[in-house]
Formats: sequence, structure tokens, C-alpha cells
Amino acid sequence: AQSVSQHNHHVILSEAASLELGCNYSYGGTVNLFWYVQYPGQHLQLLLKYFSGDPLVKGIKGFEAEFIKSKFSFNLRKPSVQWSDTAEYFCAVQGATNKLIFGTGTLLAVQP
Amino acid sequence: DAGVIQSPRHEVTEMGQEVTLRCKPISGHNSLFWYRQTMMRGLELLIYFNNNVPIDDSGMPEDRFSAKMPNASFSTLKIQPSEPRDSAVYFCASTIAGAGNTIYFGEGSWLTVV
Repeated sequence: AQSVSQHNHHVILSEAASLELGCNYSYGGTVNLFWYVQYPGQHLQLLLKYFSGDPLVKGIKGFEAEFIKSKFSFNLRKPSVQWSDTAEYFCAVQGATNKLIFGTGTLLAVQP
Repeated sequence: DAGVIQSPRHEVTEMGQEVTLRCKPISGHNSLFWYRQTMMRGLELLIYFNNNVPIDDSGMPEDRFSAKMPNASFSTLKIQPSEPRDSAVYFCASTIAGAGNTIYFGEGSWLTVV
């Protein structure tokens, strides 16, 4: 069975600081990996995804993530965060059955 | 272009009452998912359908929960009888089945059972 682990539950940063959120997954086969963002009171929106090719994926709003197969990781990064990045971030893994499983989420608070 | 549409957006009901949540997936999508989000358990996959057929309902908490998809453009999630611990945000999502296709979420149904 597939599973996702997000190590950081709460992260507090000042504006312009760099961000890295950890994500590790467990699955025995080929995976597709996603990062979703949920702004306060809103639904989930896709930030970026990886399913093949270049393991460094660039998404919207300056976010990127790197798939490291040997480490079963898909960490999310942003070089300089803004107050508007305050949200909850979810890593998700999709296996062969199309089933999408989410991690527990990381709450990011960016202080102006 | 309309996204995934859920109704009701908010519902407050008394314990023991039946609750029905509704979802209209994006036109042309053939996979539909129901998720539940709570502070304690995060985002849990309850059930998903491919081509209107339930594929995996292992996340459905218990017999009080049931989901149907009578056609490609409509799905329901029913709780009968409802309990306070069912209070959560229920999200419906849809996609075109296939590797790496983006799954699009509705705005959620906020359920409070008192």
C-alpha cells in the first residue's frame, strides 16, 4: 500500500526566507507525485506534479520540487517566500491504480 | 469552465439525521474521489470511482457511510445516521484516469453534526 510522510507539521518563516518542506513516500512501483496547496478556507489547488522525465519539477508561484528516487523523496522548495504563501501544503502519491493518497500536511505561516 | 461542484457548501445537522452530500465532476472526467478532511486525521480518501464503478472503498469508515455514482455527472455521499465525529470537510475531486493527470478538487462541503 502507498503512504506519504510529511515531517514538518508547522513551519514559521519570515518573508524572503527560503523554504524546504520534506516529503517521503512508500510504494513498490512507479509513482506519480504531487504537491497541493490549500489557502485558508479554500479547496486544494495543484502546485506541481512529477510523473516522468526531469526529476526537478517547476510549478506555479515560484515553487519547485525534486524527485529523488533513491531516497523516496519529493521535497518542495521556494527560494524566497512571501506572506501570501501562508497556507497548508500537502504532498501526495499516486500509484498504478490512480488512487491519490495525501500526507498529513504542513502548515506554513509567513510573517511579514 | 466549471470546476467540480459540490453541494451543500455548509450543513449543520443533528445527530441521528441523514446527510447527503452531492458532487458534479468536471465534464469529461471519468474518475471521481471523495475525501474527508479533519484536524486530527488530515485528508483521508474515502472512496473512488472509475467510469461510475466503485474501485476502492476501503477508506469508508463504517456502514453508516455509503456512496453512489449513478451516472458520469453525479455522485452522492450519504451518512445515515450521522454522528458528531462525522463533522469534517468533505471534498469531491475528479480527473481523467491516467498516469499523472491532475486531480481537481471541489470547494468542499463543511459538515457539522451537533
